[in-house]
Amino acid sequence: GQQLNQSPQSMFIQEGEDVSMNCTSSSIFNTWLWYKQEPGEGPVLLIALYKAGELTSNGRLTAQFGITRKDSFLNISASIPSDVGIYFCAGQAGANSKLTFGKGITLSVRP
Amino acid sequence: DVKVTQSSRYLVKRTGEKVFLECVQDMDHENMFWYRQDPGLGLRLIYFSYDVKMKEKGDIPEGYSVSREKKERFSLILESASTNQTSMYLCASSNPGARGTGELFFGEGSRLTVL
Repeated sequence: GQQLNQSPQSMFIQEGEDVSMNCTSSSIFNTWLWYKQEPGEGPVLLIALYKAGELTSNGRLTAQFGITRKDSFLNISASIPSDVGIYFCAGQAGANSKLTFGKGITLSVRP
Repeated sequence: DVKVTQSSRYLVKRTGEKVFLECVQDMDHENMFWYRQDPGLGLRLIYFSYDVKMKEKGDIPEGYSVSREKKERFSLILESASTNQTSMYLCASSNPGARGTGELFFGEGSRLTVL
């Protein structure tokens, strides 16, 4: 079945640094989404992307839908301690298709 | 404040017990989903439903069943719990349409331990 690749499994950064995460697939997706899960909570949608090449921002977060439709990246600028959590990418092939999730990247931010 | 509510945050059950995990959403969403989350494995889809009394198997349905008698409620049932079903269970909902079906709203999760 379809798989999304997110690596590394964990990232450790210093407060104030920028961090970039990417997500790659062997299959084409028509929608890319990024979710964040804070400790003890369910995932929350950060950004949804619907068009190849689309670049969308949400505060300090910026995400892009890769032009090949097989990848997406998420950038967090000027990280703060509350950015800690697990960041999941997800792809959707069609309008009502199931989501395929990546395994997530656990982000730690050192004060 | 719209939300997805899971009935139990933490449960401890014994092998062989029947377990019910309840999920209620107040957003009038058509679609509801059950995922399990395990370290290193990410989120895996167990079952989903696009309408009342409708259910579809996800990627790992074995050992589980579901019930959707009302639009707002989607229950996950473990008929005979086993230790390998110890996990975090996440319920989610979304609306159908050209966009938005992937925009899931998740509950806080139910952490199940089977002894």
